[in-house]
Amino acid sequence: EVQLVESGGGLVQTGGSLRLSCAASGFTFSAHYMDWVRQAPGKGLEWVGRIRNKANSYTTEYSASVAGRFSISRDDSKNSLYLQMNSLKTDDTAVYYCSRIALITSGGTRPFDIWGQGTMVTVSS
Amino acid sequence: DIQMTQSPSSLSASVGDRVTFTCRASQNVNSHLHWFQQRPGKAPKLLIYAASSLQSGVPSRFSGSGSGTDFALTISSLQPEDFATYYCQQTYSTPYNFGQGTNLEIK
Repeated sequence: EVQLVESGGGLVQTGGSLRLSCAASGFTFSAHYMDWVRQAPGKGLEWVGRIRNKANSYTTEYSASVAGRFSISRDDSKNSLYLQMNSLKTDDTAVYYCSRIALITSGGTRPFDIWGQGTMVTVSS
Repeated sequence: DIQMTQSPSSLSASVGDRVTFTCRASQNVNSHLHWFQQRPGKAPKLLIYAASSLQSGVPSRFSGSGSGTDFALTISSLQPEDFATYYCQQTYSTPYNFGQGTNLEIK
């Protein structure tokens, strides 16, 4: 079964750090780009960032709201994705989802085709 | 950045109804537009990718259309499990923004 399982969420004070993990199973993790998406309580979905695969040099991209504070990494030998979050703000309070990016489709698009169940991060002042 | 605007923000409908949601991009995204369903407390689920392609396992009552800047998601005959929030997302360029969502409620 294709599956993503996030962990590492919790309560942290403003200015603190947290590292989220996402364990992948049931597919060739190393072949896929992987993204993080978050959802603040009662709000919509916000893209956080992406890490590409080895063939694309593991390049990363981030949203403006987290650039310089968050860092995405992966360990293909462990089928794992990570999100290192530093200098946390109350606005970072959200459920954080990891998502698999589909291998390129016939239309040339890369949809977010598999999602984890999410892990809650609460940043308190 | 490309902004995504969904309408309506909420919609009340009955089982068996045909409903259509729309999504407008602030710039051309070609066909790099996808639709997701999210039930309360659950992760989003991919329904339609590349504007009009049905994701494997998704019922055929869901369909998508459009290209460029204007897109639509149609549910041909609402089922009880379809009452949820629906999001569009563009993956044409970063940041890969989502629309604000359409909340589909039971009338």
